[in-house]
Amino acid sequence: QVQLEESGPGLVKPSQTLSLTCAVSGGSISSGSYYWSWLRQPAGKGLEWIGRIHARTSPIYNPSLESRVTISIDTSKNQFSLELSSVTAADTAVYYCARGRIVPTAMSGVVGWFDPWGQGTLVTVSS
Amino acid sequence: DIVMTQSPDSLAVSLGERATINCKSRQSVLYNSNSKNYLAWYQQKPGQPPKVLIYWASTRESGVPDRFSGSGSGTDFTLTISSLQAEDVAVYYCQQYFTTPPTFGQGTKLDIK
Repeated sequence: QVQLEESGPGLVKPSQTLSLTCAVSGGSISSGSYYWSWLRQPAGKGLEWIGRIHARTSPIYNPSLESRVTISIDTSKNQFSLELSSVTAADTAVYYCARGRIVPTAMSGVVGWFDPWGQGTLVTVSS
Repeated sequence: DIVMTQSPDSLAVSLGERATINCKSRQSVLYNSNSKNYLAWYQQKPGQPPKVLIYWASTRESGVPDRFSGSGSGTDFTLTISSLQAEDVAVYYCQQYFTTPPTFGQGTKLDIK
């Protein structure tokens, strides 16, 4: 079965760039049936979708973060990555990577429900 | 963005009793072309990632106990746990995937009374 695992620094200074990688095992990231997403969850709060990527199409980002986010994919390493620039304390959260279903909709590129998820990694923004 | 609102924010139910969590979307998530509601339910236990329970509003994920069921259409949805077990203590989230960005409810914390 597919498993995802996040990795990256747990502490980032304000104004710097947060960088995380999600390694996918048990299946190919090049599978056409899925999108690969990043989400985050501040402590004690709800879930926010950051963006998604597919092996053969351009990434799509949450408009609320679009100016600061880059998601990329490396099919040779079976992994995908997140960069979030100009971070502030408000970006402190547990960051998750997850696989999302491609669903039929009137809008192209919509990601469905998420399964599985990585265990998550806490990133703290502090000097 | 489609705003998802859950009620109640927290809930305490006795073991063996029914638990009901509601989710309301600000606009319909029913896609008329396939008559499917683009809504999922998740369970999140402390220190763990969310786990999908239900998708298409009422389709139970493989391996999820049949005491969990989802219902509703359009803008109003319900997650029901028919007979609460101790291991069901968690926070539950609904999520719409009708449009980008996908959005989640604020969560409902379920405890044992």
